[in-house]
Amino acid sequence: KAGVTQTPRYLIKTRGQQVTLSCSPISGHRSVSWYQQTPGQGLQFLFEYFSETQRNKGNFPGRFSGRQFSNSRSEMNVSTLELGDSALYLCASRKNTEAFFGQGTRLTVV
Amino acid sequence: EDQVTQSPEALRLQEGESSSLNCSYTVSGLRGLFWYRQDPGKGPEFLFTLYSAGEEKEKERLKATLTKKESFLHITAPKPEDSATYLCAVQAENNAGNMLTFGGGTRLMVKP
Repeated sequence: KAGVTQTPRYLIKTRGQQVTLSCSPISGHRSVSWYQQTPGQGLQFLFEYFSETQRNKGNFPGRFSGRQFSNSRSEMNVSTLELGDSALYLCASRKNTEAFFGQGTRLTVV
Repeated sequence: EDQVTQSPEALRLQEGESSSLNCSYTVSGLRGLFWYRQDPGKGPEFLFTLYSAGEEKEKERLKATLTKKESFLHITAPKPEDSATYLCAVQAENNAGNMLTFGGGTRLMVKP
């Protein structure tokens, strides 16, 4: 059974640019959540999508946005990148209780 | 506001030296407490879910327990391959979705 797939695995962007990250959940999972992981703040919740609707949102600025498609695949977008946005971005999918994470996208903003 | 605190931040053990990791939490109604293992550069790997005080779950050398205020991850006779960061997270009852609040993690190093 395939796990959660995130693309790309690594990304380098310049301040002010925008970026789009992709997440393909485990087949049959309709809930997709996004998290940001940094050494200083740990894992922080960004938002969750279920059946193409945002169900929950963390305490992040409006530059962070996301969406979910009818096949449950999800994308997150960060506009006007700042140096502090450098982090590991993790996607998690779930069907019932347990959340299963992808390998993450390592974003470096220079 | 939901809070999760893990201790210690780092733990060095000799192979075979058993120990416990602590996860203290404050949540307005616990829907579930989760333990994950994370290796460097990888996403968290699911280990256990605990739902109510008194519950225990085991997997190989790991055993997770839950009280009303904290959870412990007991590691029995650890091996070097158990070296990783262990993360604890809670999901609150008043959470409309599946948001998890994570602790800072415990970095475990097991020396041969």
